[in-house]
Amino acid sequence: GENVEQHPSTLSVQEGDSAVIKCTYSDSASNYFPWYKQELGKGPQLIIDIRSNVGEKKDQRIAVTLNKTAKHFSLHITETQPEDSAVYFCAAIWAKLIFGTGTRLQVFP
Amino acid sequence: GAVVSQHPSRVICKSGTSVKIECRSLDFQATTMFWYRQFPKKSLMLMATSNEGSKATYEQGVEKDKFLINHASLTLSTLTVTSAHPEDSSFYICSASEGLAGFDEQFFGPGTRLTVL
Repeated sequence: GENVEQHPSTLSVQEGDSAVIKCTYSDSASNYFPWYKQELGKGPQLIIDIRSNVGEKKDQRIAVTLNKTAKHFSLHITETQPEDSAVYFCAAIWAKLIFGTGTRLQVFP
Repeated sequence: GAVVSQHPSRVICKSGTSVKIECRSLDFQATTMFWYRQFPKKSLMLMATSNEGSKATYEQGVEKDKFLINHASLTLSTLTVTSAHPEDSSFYICSASEGLAGFDEQFFGPGTRLTVL
């Protein structure tokens, strides 16, 4: 069945550094790849997404890249801030949303 | 825009009782609504997909009679956990989409933490 793998499971960075989270998906028919940020005790919030006809998308400090051939997509956060600390989930969609296993990001001041 | 609310945010109940959780899309019409369950430090697991006016489609392993889903209007879906037991304790999250099941952006609610004593 469909599967999304996410790495790393935890990531600690110093404030101002960059953070990169990588995902791979199994269903080549997937055509929409959202990224969610989830803070403790809250629902996931969409932070950026990318569709299969685009290779890269940026929104201020956040960027997502997609390699459809390799079935990889990545989240890049630059100039990290303590408020970026949260759990991040990648997901792939085809008929339903399949979530990655999550990455707990900690940004130390 | 695209706000989804859930009520209640937290609920504690005794074993054997039923609990209803509401999910509302506040500023758009949700053709499709989804219910997820999330265990501590784990990812979201899809329980069921519902379209307004029709029966929900449940994922494999999710008991239909245990988790009753009603999508009565384009802005409201409810999840009722019947005869709740401690193993049903979890974080339940709904999401809503303007489009067809699974193909469009989903907007998530804030979640409901259920504790069954």
